[in-house]
Amino acid sequence: DTEVTQTPKHLVMGMTNKKSLKCEQHMGHRAMYWYKQKAKKPPELMFVYSYEKLSINESVPSRFSPECPNSSLLNLHLHALQPEDSALYLCASSQDRGTLGETQYFGPGTRLLVL
Amino acid sequence: AQSVTQLGSHVSVSEGALVLLRCNYSSSVPPYLFWYVQYPNQGLQLLLKYTSAATLVKGINGFEAEFKKSETSFHLTKPSAHMSDAAEYFCAVGLAGSNYKLTFGKGTLLTVNP
Repeated sequence: DTEVTQTPKHLVMGMTNKKSLKCEQHMGHRAMYWYKQKAKKPPELMFVYSYEKLSINESVPSRFSPECPNSSLLNLHLHALQPEDSALYLCASSQDRGTLGETQYFGPGTRLLVL
Repeated sequence: AQSVTQLGSHVSVSEGALVLLRCNYSSSVPPYLFWYVQYPNQGLQLLLKYTSAATLVKGINGFEAEFKKSETSFHLTKPSAHMSDAAEYFCAVGLAGSNYKLTFGKGTLLTVNP
């Protein structure tokens, strides 16, 4: 099973709201990723967790707060977002064997609209 | 630093025609190269991956890509386009020194005309 699931599929929120995106995989992968993708652009890396520890933060604003409760789950907590944060948020995972060129498996994404 | 360039932001072919999507890379070390496809309103799906085991890589849905070191290219081809191939295609290279970072090209939108 090479599936990464994400919920919700769509989310509309106001700038004062707090919401969370959820990602789950059951492939035994130990690296999990959050990407942001604007329309007609490639994905941009936001965060990487390796063995449930934050490994990479690509200078993401603090209004985005990641969390990895266990090896299968990855959350992205959202607070006080701006309209320019509207995008498709993609989760991905990989085995994390410590080798270069690992394949990342992507979920279907959450399409976020900030009003 | 690694980078990829996808020539042509939009490629249009007729159903049954050859598909050729171009990707050139720059890398100071042997690269790991990927092609991903993204259908409308979906995530990215891996089509194929080059890891130096073989220069001709076969992927899913009839796609293949050939690694040419002399041309620093990794072009994606399919002999006969199908309507269902219409999607955005991204070439990506693994960043040297990082197990996690991919550098994506800007993407090529493939349209297939009946």
